[in-house]
Amino acid sequence: QVQLVQSGAELKKPGASVKVSCKASGYTFTAYYMHWVRQAPGQGLDWMGRINPNTGVTNYAQKFQGRVTMTRDTSMSSAYMELNRLTSDDTAMYYCAREVEATTGRFLDYWGQGTLLTVSS
Amino acid sequence: DIQMTQSPSSLSASVGDRVTITCRASQSIGTYLTWYQQKPGKAPKLLIYAASSLQSGVPSRFSGGGSGTDFTLTISSLQPEDFATYYCQQSYSTPRTFGQGTKVEIK
Repeated sequence: QVQLVQSGAELKKPGASVKVSCKASGYTFTAYYMHWVRQAPGQGLDWMGRINPNTGVTNYAQKFQGRVTMTRDTSMSSAYMELNRLTSDDTAMYYCAREVEATTGRFLDYWGQGTLLTVSS
Repeated sequence: DIQMTQSPSSLSASVGDRVTITCRASQSIGTYLTWYQQKPGKAPKLLIYAASSLQSGVPSRFSGGGSGTDFTLTISSLQPEDFATYYCQQSYSTPRTFGQGTKVEIK
């Protein structure tokens, strides 16, 4: 069965960086885009970007450009999201999610369990 | 960027009620519209894709409609397990923007 398992909670100081991992299993990792979505406490869903695991090509939301890097390791069937220059506004739950691209549409069908990032001095 | 606007932001309803949530895109997105359900402390769950296709395993009381810029999510008879927050998302282009969410609460 398809599973996305994310790394554990992180506590970081302002100005630091964080790297969150998402390990995929149960499907061909390189066949589906991986997206990253974050959710600040009590807030809605915020799309951060995506990576094509086959080519490594990325698309980032403008608000994260220059601060986020998404990578993958095909040998580990894992995707990574690194966010730099953290501030308290980056305190949020971070999710990876697999995107299906079919003739009928594109959608996120499997999600990781989430990784809670807390940024605090 | 395509802006997605949901209404209402929240609603109170009773078990058995028919509930409709709307989502409007700032430009035409065809049927590249997805609905997710999220319960507290959980990851979002896929409900409806391509505006009206029911994801496998999702109860048939959920239905979606619309195309272009205006979309709806309808729950025909609200059940206790349906109290949650619902989000629409466009997948027409990147960035893949979400609506701000609609919280369905118990009346």
